[in-house]
Amino acid sequence: DAGVTQSPTHLIKTRGQHVTLRCSPISGHKSVSWYQQVLGQGPQFIFQYYEKEERGRGNFPDRFSARQFPNYSSELNVNALLLGDSALYLCASSLPQAGGPGDTQYFGPGTRLTVL
Amino acid sequence: QKEVEQNSGPLSVPEGAIASLNCTYSDRVSQSFFWYRQYSGKSPELIMSIYSNGDKEDGRFTAQLNKASQYVSLLIRDSQPSDSATYLCAAYNNNDMRFGAGTRLTVKP
Repeated sequence: DAGVTQSPTHLIKTRGQHVTLRCSPISGHKSVSWYQQVLGQGPQFIFQYYEKEERGRGNFPDRFSARQFPNYSSELNVNALLLGDSALYLCASSLPQAGGPGDTQYFGPGTRLTVL
Repeated sequence: QKEVEQNSGPLSVPEGAIASLNCTYSDRVSQSFFWYRQYSGKSPELIMSIYSNGDKEDGRFTAQLNKASQYVSLLIRDSQPSDSATYLCAAYNNNDMRFGAGTRLTVKP
């Protein structure tokens, strides 16, 4: 089975532009989470979606938005790009485990965004 | 105060030794804990999850959780050069996964 897939792999944008990143979860997984990872840091939580509804949001500005589609794939949109948005953007999928204590997440390969 | 803290390292151990990685978390209601391995330029790869106090073993890896002390650890036995990577500790609660900055481990042949 395919794991989590993300596109594109790399992206170069200039300040002020808009970007859309895409993610397809593992087959059967219904939840998608987005993270931003800058060099030397751990991933920072941006959003989690389950069944097309937003379940959680991290401390990111409104320039960041996301959505989940009926096939459980997801898009992350970032408007008015800043230099500081340069990072590895990770998508993770999970079942989740209904009634379980946790939410084991499996990461895709990431999209490397560079803002010039 | 960082919510999930790890020693940044680098931690260096000889091949065949035990590597011990530690993590503390500040949110007492965190329910689940995860260890991920991340090679340079790659995405995090799940090693283990742990939900209950005590030890959980999987091959060469043992995770330990102490909720009273808000402490999670990962032991890697018989360390191999291929274990050289950054190890990320994560705590999950209420649809929110918080990661530490990671500990960089180097296993020397």
